[in-house]
Amino acid sequence: GQQVMQIPQYQHVQEGEDFTTYCNSSTTLSNIQWYKQRPGGHPVFLIQLVKSGEVKKQKRLTFQFGEAKKNSSLHITATQTTDVGTYFCAGRGTDKLIFGTGTRLQVFP
Amino acid sequence: GAGVSQSPRYKVTKRGQDVALRCDPISGHVSLYWYRQALGQGPEFLTYFNYEAQQDKSGLPNDRFSAERPEGSISTLTIQRTEQRDSAMYRCASSLNPPTGSYSNQPQHFGDGTRLSIL
Repeated sequence: GQQVMQIPQYQHVQEGEDFTTYCNSSTTLSNIQWYKQRPGGHPVFLIQLVKSGEVKKQKRLTFQFGEAKKNSSLHITATQTTDVGTYFCAGRGTDKLIFGTGTRLQVFP
Repeated sequence: GAGVSQSPRYKVTKRGQDVALRCDPISGHVSLYWYRQALGQGPEFLTYFNYEAQQDKSGLPNDRFSAERPEGSISTLTIQRTEQRDSAMYRCASSLNPPTGSYSNQPQHFGDGTRLSIL
């Protein structure tokens, strides 16, 4: 079945450093979504990407969808302590979302 | 407005007992999804509904798991004869429109989940 993997599993950065998480699907996706889950919280929708090669920005966050629509990345510039949490990509093949394994980000002040 | 509401927040029960987990989606949301999330992992799809119709139950682990949404609003996930391996966070999510066609990029809104512990 469809699998979605993310790397790295964990990332510890100093506040102000950049952070990137990568998402790879075993199959071509119709679209991909990104969610953030704070410790003890629930996943919260961040953004969705639909088009091949699409790039979207939200303030310090940059999201990219690969040309082959099988991979995606999230880059955070100049991390802040408020960025702490686990970031999940979720790929849609047909109708259901398949969530990635997540990247847990810890930011040290 | 109100978000997705799940109850109970915590459920501890003995192995072999049946449990029913409730989800009240955002008002007006057509689609409702059930996920199971193990600690440190991403949500794992279980099943989903459009209105009252169960569209996909391919993620239900075995026939001890079932779900219903009889009036197209509140949904119940039932686990019969619980086993220790069923212990996990069970999350419900809803979306305004079905995840197909031009609505295939619908964001999902998650509830706070039910933490199920089987002793």
